[in-house]
Amino acid sequence: KQEVTQIPAALSVPEGENLVLNCSFTDSAIYNLQWFRQDPGKGLTSLLLIQSSQREQTSGRLNASLDKSSGRSTLYIAASQPGDSATYLCAIPLAFSGGYNKLIFGAGTRLAVHP
Amino acid sequence: DAGVIQSPRHEVTEMGQEVTLRCKPISGHNSLFWYRQTMMRGLELLIYFNNNVPIDDSGMPEDRFSAKMPNASFSTLKIQPSEPRDSAVYFCASSSVSGNYGYTFGSGTRLTVV
Repeated sequence: KQEVTQIPAALSVPEGENLVLNCSFTDSAIYNLQWFRQDPGKGLTSLLLIQSSQREQTSGRLNASLDKSSGRSTLYIAASQPGDSATYLCAIPLAFSGGYNKLIFGAGTRLAVHP
Repeated sequence: DAGVIQSPRHEVTEMGQEVTLRCKPISGHNSLFWYRQTMMRGLELLIYFNNNVPIDDSGMPEDRFSAKMPNASFSTLKIQPSEPRDSAVYFCASSSVSGNYGYTFGSGTRLTVV
């Protein structure tokens, strides 16, 4: 059974710091892994999607890495800003007979970046 | 593309009333998901459809909840009768069956049952 865990649950940092958010999963036979951001009272915004054949993906100040063998993904945020304050979720689709579906989410890391 | 469109954005209703939430997935996506989010339980998958067919509804909490997808561009989640414990944010998401391109979420419907 696939389980997704995120550490830390919450993080509070001063502006400008480089951050690492961690996501671990129990079944390494994943198809892809997706990082989302959720602002309070809002929906989920997709940040990065890493396919199982990839080691990392980058978008601006965000870099996500994937190590299937160890069951880990990290989201690296460079030069954090107050606008980065949000909850960050990682998610993995579960396999079913017709393909891959049914996202399994971690509980999220709640990030606060203060000026 | 306008993304996944949900309506209404907010719904306040009295206990016992019927509530219908609506979702329009991204054109070309053939999988659609309904999630519920609460502080206590986080994100819970209620039901999902592939090619308009319900695949797994094991997350639907009770018979008061029902979902339909009459065509590829529209789905509804209905609660009848509604109860205060149904208060939550309900999200719709869509993807391809293969999941190749990831999942796109709507902005959600915040439901309050008083």
